[in-house]
Amino acid sequence: AQKITQTQPGMFVQEKEAVTLDCTYDTSDQSYGLFWYKQPSSGEMIFLIYQGSYDEQNATEGRYSLNFQKARKSANLVISASQLGDSAMYFCAMRLNQGGKLIFGQGTELSVKP
Amino acid sequence: NAGVTQTPKFQVLKTGQSMTLQCAQDMNHEYMSWYRQDPGMGLRLIHYSVGAGITDQGEVPNGYNVSRSTTEDFPLRLLSAAPSQTSVYFCASSTGRVREQYFGPGTRLTVT
Repeated sequence: AQKITQTQPGMFVQEKEAVTLDCTYDTSDQSYGLFWYKQPSSGEMIFLIYQGSYDEQNATEGRYSLNFQKARKSANLVISASQLGDSAMYFCAMRLNQGGKLIFGQGTELSVKP
Repeated sequence: NAGVTQTPKFQVLKTGQSMTLQCAQDMNHEYMSWYRQDPGMGLRLIHYSVGAGITDQGEVPNGYNVSRSTTEDFPLRLLSAAPSQTSVYFCASSTGRVREQYFGPGTRLTVT
């Protein structure tokens, strides 16, 4: 069964420090995509970063990087130099090549302390 | 280019009432989906569509109907609202390219 697991319900990080949010996935498909979304208190879903299953390099988007370990089926999000505006819910999601469907994890609430 | 739009933003229903949540996109995306978000459970797929006239069920389809008569619109119908359907509903669209996913702003629904 396809599944996304985020084991950290809540995380705290000091401003300007780096933080890693964990995500593991389960699928038997060879072709899939992994996403991270940010959901601030205003509620919208903001796309952060994407990693394809065949991508050899880890994805990076500004302060966000995705630590992709295919053999371990993990896709951790690393946020460098945390900012107060990074305080939000973070969701890991997996897309299979079946009509654009996404499977989401339960989310991690990140709080950045000044 | 408005992206993905959803109406209404907020809605309160009484148990047993029916209503339609609207979703539209102007990007000519073939794939559209509906998700619900409940506290502590992430987003769960209700229904999805791979093109006009083609729909299929997701993880939690009971109590909801969809149709896709045009590429642009993908309405979600609640047939007889129940308190268990109190949730935030997100519509999303994408192309066949795996990377691109676009979410609407969400509809917060309360059923009393």
